[in-house]
Amino acid sequence: EVQLVQSGAEVKKPGESLKISCKGSGYSFASSWIGWVRQMPGKGLEWMGIIYSGDSDTRYSPSFQGQVTISVDTSLNTAYLQWSSLKASDTAMYYCAAGSGAFDLWGRGTLVTV
Amino acid sequence: SSVLTQPPSVSVAPGETARITCGGNNIGSKSVHWYRQKPGQAPILVIYYDTDRPSGIPERFSGSNSGNTATLTISRVEAGDEADYYCQVWDSGVFGGGTKLTVL
Repeated sequence: EVQLVQSGAEVKKPGESLKISCKGSGYSFASSWIGWVRQMPGKGLEWMGIIYSGDSDTRYSPSFQGQVTISVDTSLNTAYLQWSSLKASDTAMYYCAAGSGAFDLWGRGTLVTV
Repeated sequence: SSVLTQPPSVSVAPGETARITCGGNNIGSKSVHWYRQKPGQAPILVIYYDTDRPSGIPERFSGSNSGNTATLTISRVEAGDEADYYCQVWDSGVFGGGTKLTVL
């Protein structure tokens, strides 16, 4: 089955670090882009950044540059989003999405509560 | 990064046609994608590269893009189309602010 499986909900304290994951299966993970999208409670979608699984080429939204780190482990078909020091304002649902020109595959989201 | 402007809400009666716009500077020169998000669910792609439909998306969904406006058109609107709709430009990644489609 073609799918992205995200790690479970997290409850953290301000200042703590966090790394959430997104595992792809059923498609060519190494030749697709994986993006991370934030959705704060009751708000719209915000593009955080994107990574190309094949060569780890990574691009960040200016709004999130320096605030988060996106990485990928192609041996595990898994992408990651991490924070070194969480803030209360990081409370949101985080989606990963995959595609090669559009996000045609989405994970179910990871709820992060700080 | 570009700014994409969508109307906050659009309301239509069942069977009518809904048009949701996405405004941006010279957006017609860019590839625009559209996503639908129902409450409590992840978004799904409904239109990509301005006009193409993924498999499983009804022919009632169509898109256009010219000048400073891209448009998602939903014909013969059904109650099940009620959702939030977002446009996106791939090369900048930016999403529009979203439009809540209400079926009266």
